[in-house]
Parts: sequence; C-alpha cells; structure tokens
Amino acid sequence: KAGVTQTPRYLIKTRGQQVTLSCSPISGHRSVSWYQQTPGQGLQFLFEYFSETQRNKGNFPGRFSGRQFSNSRSEMNVSTLELGDSALYLCASSGHRGDETQYFGPGTRLLVL
Amino acid sequence: GENVEQHPSTLSVQEGDSAVIKCTYSDSASNYFPWYKQELGKRPQLIIDIRSNVGEKKDQRIAVTLNKTAKHFSLHITETQPEDSAVYFCAASGNTGNQFYFGTGTSLTVIP
Repeated sequence: KAGVTQTPRYLIKTRGQQVTLSCSPISGHRSVSWYQQTPGQGLQFLFEYFSETQRNKGNFPGRFSGRQFSNSRSEMNVSTLELGDSALYLCASSGHRGDETQYFGPGTRLLVL
Repeated sequence: GENVEQHPSTLSVQEGDSAVIKCTYSDSASNYFPWYKQELGKRPQLIIDIRSNVGEKKDQRIAVTLNKTAKHFSLHITETQPEDSAVYFCAASGNTGNQFYFGTGTSLTVIP
C-alpha cells in the first residue's frame, strides 16, 4: 500500500497570508489527524476528521481549520499566518476501529517570515 | 483533557547498554499507548504499542510496560545500537475517535 502523502513538502509564507496543506491517507483509511510539531512543544494535536466530519479538535485558535473530502483526502488551512505558526505539520491516517495505529506522512515544513 | 508527561528529555547511553524512557498520563479512560521513533528529518514511525488490558509487551530488543494504577508506562530498549539514536515519543489515546496526546519526546543518543 502507498503510504500517507503530504503536499507541499516545504512552504514559505509571510505574516498575514493564508496557507492550505494537503494530506492523502493510506487507501482505505477514513481517519485523518493533523499535528503541529515544533522543537519545544513536540507533537500537538490539531484536529481529526473521520468520514468528512471533524470528530476531535485540539486547543488551537480558529485560524486553524480543516476539512475532509469523500475520498478521505484532507486539507488544513491556516489563515492570517503568524511567525509562531512556523512548524512541521504532520498528518496521520488510521484504519477502522480496533486498529488505532496512526501512520504519519512526511510532513509539510512551513516557514512564516 | 489528557496530559502526557515524558522523561527524560535527553538520554545518552553507551552502545550495548539499556535505555528506559518513562511517561505518565492523567486520564484513566486512556486505553491505548503507542511509542513512536522519529529519526532526524523523517516521519514518526510506530515501534511498539500496548493496550490497557496488557501489562507488558515485548518485540525483540524493545519492550513496553504499563502500570494502570499508577498511570505510567515505559519503553525499554536493550542492547542499544547506534541506529537506535532518534527522538522517541509516547502517546495516549482513549476517547472516541483518534485523539492522541503525545509526550514532548526523548532524544536518545547511543554512543558507539
């Protein structure tokens, strides 16, 4: 099976701009989670989508949003970028209930200038 | 919500020695505890996991133990090798859906 893919891999934006990141899960996986990884904070949960519905949400401001399509692909959007949004954004997919193993994508490294 | 604490943040061991990383969690409803290894510049990869109905699980040189009463779980790596050098993350999950709470990571260095 092909693994989780994320596009783009690298992105440079300026403060105030918005950005959209994309994640394609492993075929057959319906759950997609997003994480922000920074050196000091580790992996912080943003949100999880399952069957096009946001099922869980972490403690991030409303500038961070996401959606999931009928083919389980997911997008994450960050509006009004701030310098502190610079991070590695990882998505992870997992299969049906009883197999919670999360498989991570390679991440999108976002730099906000 | 759940809070996962991980210690130590850095760990250096001589090749061949054992390494132990410990995590505590706060939510007694958590019932699934995976460990991930992240090498520099790469994605996190699952190395072992344990469920709350099991006290210990072993896979070759890697083992995880879980103490539900004390709400802590540990990763044990025996006979460490230089390729074990990486950042290790523990995580906890238990509510509906796949909301995982991660520890802040342990940077393990195995000195040849």
